[in-house]
Amino acid sequence: DSGVTQTPKHLITATGQRVTLRCSPRSGDLSVYWYQQSLDQGLQFLIQYYNGEERAKGNILERFSAQQFPDLHSELNLSSLELGDSALYFCASSPPAASGGPETQYFGPGTRLLVL
Amino acid sequence: TQLLEQSPQFLSIQEGENLTVYCNSSSVFSSLQWYRQEPGEGPVLLVTVVTGGEVKKLKRLTFQFGDARKDSSLHITAAQPGDTGLYLCAGEGSSNTGKLIFGQGTTLQVKP
Repeated sequence: DSGVTQTPKHLITATGQRVTLRCSPRSGDLSVYWYQQSLDQGLQFLIQYYNGEERAKGNILERFSAQQFPDLHSELNLSSLELGDSALYFCASSPPAASGGPETQYFGPGTRLLVL
Repeated sequence: TQLLEQSPQFLSIQEGENLTVYCNSSSVFSSLQWYRQEPGEGPVLLVTVVTGGEVKKLKRLTFQFGDARKDSSLHITAAQPGDTGLYLCAGEGSSNTGKLIFGQGTTLQVKP
């Protein structure tokens, strides 16, 4: 158990719909990352938040958005869903790295999204 | 764009055999991490290598970071069925934000 929680575990929805995925980071971690894992694209970085502010952006579609709340939990909103959005969505959190060294990211169990 | 290529993509071996997984890039990474992922779960960090030429050992697993910090390898000695899983390498991008660039992964199956 990494200490990162994600809900829901599974989500089945239809094309054109909108869903919200939720992530609670480990206690004390300020950074939250969102990743998408699909069979053809592998694990792709979407977006990072640090203490409520967007810090880095990856290959995140305009139909997707995220935010981090004052209590540090984060939500990833996916709208106008398409069949190709079916994937595993992971959240990870990390504590501040020491002296600019590499951050250790702890991954949640993921949300499996199926768009029909 | 920084990319990481892993090879092989799939590996099926017998218990007791040795194996090596490679992670290569044309870009320099400030650090490189190896993760193991089991079905239905998130990736779990195995090791982080930071210095060019660095070698780290974790029981039967040996990780090496290339001298130029563009490549890495994972060697498993005497593989066991419990080693079965998806192995992912990930490099920290040039922006130093913690953003990770993942390789496509190597699916390892160790048969008893």
